Amino acid sequence: AQRVTQPEKLLSVFKGAPVELKCNYSYSGSPELFWYVQYSRQRLQLLLRHISRESIKGFTADLNKGETSFHLKKPFAQEEDSAMYYCALSGLDDYKLSFGAGTTVTVRA
Amino acid sequence: EADIYQTPRYLVIGTGKKITLECSQTMGHDKMYWYQQDPGMELHLIHYSYGVNSTEKGDLSSESTVSRIRTEHFPLTLESARPSHTSQYLCASMGRMGNTIYFGEGSWLTVV
Repeated sequence: AQRVTQPEKLLSVFKGAPVELKCNYSYSGSPELFWYVQYSRQRLQLLLRHISRESIKGFTADLNKGETSFHLKKPFAQEEDSAMYYCALSGLDDYKLSFGAGTTVTVRA
Repeated sequence: EADIYQTPRYLVIGTGKKITLECSQTMGHDKMYWYQQDPGMELHLIHYSYGVNSTEKGDLSSESTVSRIRTEHFPLTLESARPSHTSQYLCASMGRMGNTIYFGEGSWLTVV
């Protein structure tokens, strides 16, 4: 069975400080990992996916298969980064997407 | 405009009532999903569909049922609502290319 774990429910950082959201997963095959974000009063939307290897809004995430982790990082947090962040996983041949419990990020001025 | 629509957005109903949550997408996506999410908690997949006349139960057991008679439409029905069904229900869809899921705005259901 596939499972996604986000150990932190709440994360508070100051503007300009680095932020890292942890995500660990368990999956028997080759997973595809994602980060989704939900800003206040907006719908859930894709932030980034590991196969794209891109940086979105200054965020990056590296898939570490040895540690089964996909942590999300940003070197300098901005107030507009305050949101709920969900890590998600699907198999490459399976289109079921499983989500973690989410981490609420608050960036303080 | 290509999008995914959910109605109603908010609903308060009495115990024992039958309710159908509507979900429609205009993107031509073949895969559609229903997630259930309590406030501040994780999303749980309760139903999904890979195409017309295809429906599967998700990871979380649910008393709701779904149908997929048309590609664009994936309604969710509760035959007899109970207070334990109070939650947010999110509909989503995915196209043939890639694994990006697009979410609707959600339907907040309160059963009193």
